[in-house]
Amino acid sequence: DAKTTQPTSMDCAEGRAANLPCNHSTISGNEYVYWYRQIHSQGPQYIIHGLKNNETNEMASLIITEDRKSSTLILPHATLRDTAVYYCIVRVAAGAQKLVFGQGTRLTINP
Amino acid sequence: DTAVSQTPKYLVTQMGNDKSIKCEQNLGHDTMYWYKQDSKKFLKIMFSYNNKELIINETVPNRFSPKSPDKAHLNLHINSLELGDSAVYFCASSQYGTGAYEQYFGPGTRLTVT
Repeated sequence: DAKTTQPTSMDCAEGRAANLPCNHSTISGNEYVYWYRQIHSQGPQYIIHGLKNNETNEMASLIITEDRKSSTLILPHATLRDTAVYYCIVRVAAGAQKLVFGQGTRLTINP
Repeated sequence: DTAVSQTPKYLVTQMGNDKSIKCEQNLGHDTMYWYKQDSKKFLKIMFSYNNKELIINETVPNRFSPKSPDKAHLNLHINSLELGDSAVYFCASSQYGTGAYEQYFGPGTRLTVT
């Protein structure tokens, strides 16, 4: 699975859009980009995933660059409850979905 | 209804003891996982079972033995507990196959070995 690089920490004001970047320059054609988050002391929570096209669901939007070497997770109107560690994971979508977690980005939403 | 549940939530025990952690999922998934999150907060996969068959076995001491009585349950038994086993253990489940299936995680079991 391709390696990802994320900033260690970010801050965002409540009500603003939080944009979390992820670099995955060695991504292969059949690898998906997944985002999970872990709110303090809880189990990781799936947010969104994508292959080539931009994706949106009720939680967030995922923007993947045309060359697929980087992506951005967007939380459109961040709330205090979005404070968490966000993980960008790249892997093929086949078989057992073994997730390899990096250090992630610690996002703090400030009032 | 809790999708992935684990018991117990907290487990405090002494070195050398044997303990078990239980996991159940009601999502109808056919694949389950155990992850370990150590004190530095790194999450690492330990095992995965698909339809009661072990399919992922990372470099884990053989004191750890997973057991899957059916595809809705995956238990983790740990023998001769050591201080370094102190961590939070997360169970997860997903579907298996050629699809970008997401994993659903349980709330975790915080194991403290004294």
